[in-house]
Parts: sequence; structure tokens; C-alpha cells
Amino acid sequence: GEDVEQSLFLSVREGDSSVINCTYTDSSSTYLYWYKQEPGAGLQLLTYIFSNMDMKQDQRLTVLLNKKDKHLSLRIADTQTGDSAIYFCAESGNTDKLIFGTGTRLQVFP
Amino acid sequence: SQTIHQWPATLVQPVGSPLSLECTVEGTSNPNLYWYRQAAGRGLQLLFYSVGIGQISSEVPQNLSASRPQDRQFILSSKKLLLSDSGFYLCAWSPVAGGETQYFGPGTRLLVL
Repeated sequence: GEDVEQSLFLSVREGDSSVINCTYTDSSSTYLYWYKQEPGAGLQLLTYIFSNMDMKQDQRLTVLLNKKDKHLSLRIADTQTGDSAIYFCAESGNTDKLIFGTGTRLQVFP
Repeated sequence: SQTIHQWPATLVQPVGSPLSLECTVEGTSNPNLYWYRQAAGRGLQLLFYSVGIGQISSEVPQNLSASRPQDRQFILSSKKLLLSDSGFYLCAWSPVAGGETQYFGPGTRLLVL
């Protein structure tokens, strides 16, 4: 079945770049998403990429997609303490549903 | 613009009591609606989704049920809560069928004692 995997934790120093990785299994995914969840809050859509794109940049965020390896990454430049959160990768296929990864907890320390 | 509301924000209920969580969406028509549960320190589990009034698909067998009495209203219910029902419940909507982007509500934290 469809599966999305992420590492559970990432710790970075303030000002450094963060790279959060995700692998997925469904080769028919149309869109791939990154969501951010701050403590006690719902999920906030950060960005998404269409499956025929390799890269998408939006201010400090860069999404890279390697469709051959089914690998998605989110790079956050100049990471700030406000970036500390759980980041979820998700894929859509030909259904009405998104398949979410387990989430990566990003901790930014000064 | 579209907004999604959930209430209550927090709920503490005894084991065996009933449950009703409500989700409403404003600013759109005929959305797809979703209920997720997030257990502490875990990822998201899709519980139910709906593509229209009265149309509910259940993803996992459980102690919960869902209803969609109106186009933009989605309700999560239980007749008798279990300890294992504790968690963070998230409602989401998407504009059309076919894997479109989902937008999430603020969530309801449920603690069953």
C-alpha cells in the first residue's frame, strides 16, 4: 500500500539550514505537500510541489523532488527558533485522500 | 476567504460518556471533509472522510462515527468513549475531489479519564 516515511527528529543551530527528508511509495502521486504543526495547533500548509517539477522555492523554503527515487526534501534556510515545529510530508494520488508521513520534529537551538 | 472552525478546543470526558465534536467550513460549497486523529507524539490517522451530505467513508474500525448533516458541517461522535479515544482530533477540508490540498482546523484536544 501507499506509505510515506520521515525521520522523527532533527536538531539544528539557529541560523543554519535545515533539511527535512521524506520518501514515498506511490508513483502516481500528483502533488506532494509540506505541512507545519506548532505545539497544540492544527496543520498549516507550507508549500506543495506538482509531481512534474524538480524544485520549488518560496522565500526561505526550497522543496526538491526526485521522482525517480521517490524522495522529497524541504530545506529551510537561516533556520529560526520560530521554525521549531513538527513538519509533515504528504502525498496525493488519484483519490480524495492524502497520505501523511509520521512527521519530523525540528528543534532549533540558539 | 474560506475558514474552518472546530469546537470545543479542549474536552475532558469520563470513560463511557458520549462524544460530539463539530467542524464547520465557511466560504466554500461542497467541500470534501476529513476527520483525523493524532495520538500523542504520533502522526495523523485518517478516521473518516466525506464527499457530500450523508456520504461518509470510514477508514479504520473503531468506537467512533461521523455524520454530515449539512454541506459544510461534519460531526464526529461516540456513544461510549474509551480511554484509547484520547488524542488530538483534526478536521480538514479540500475544495474538490482528486487529491487537492487539504486545509486544517485548529483541532480539539480530547482527554478521556
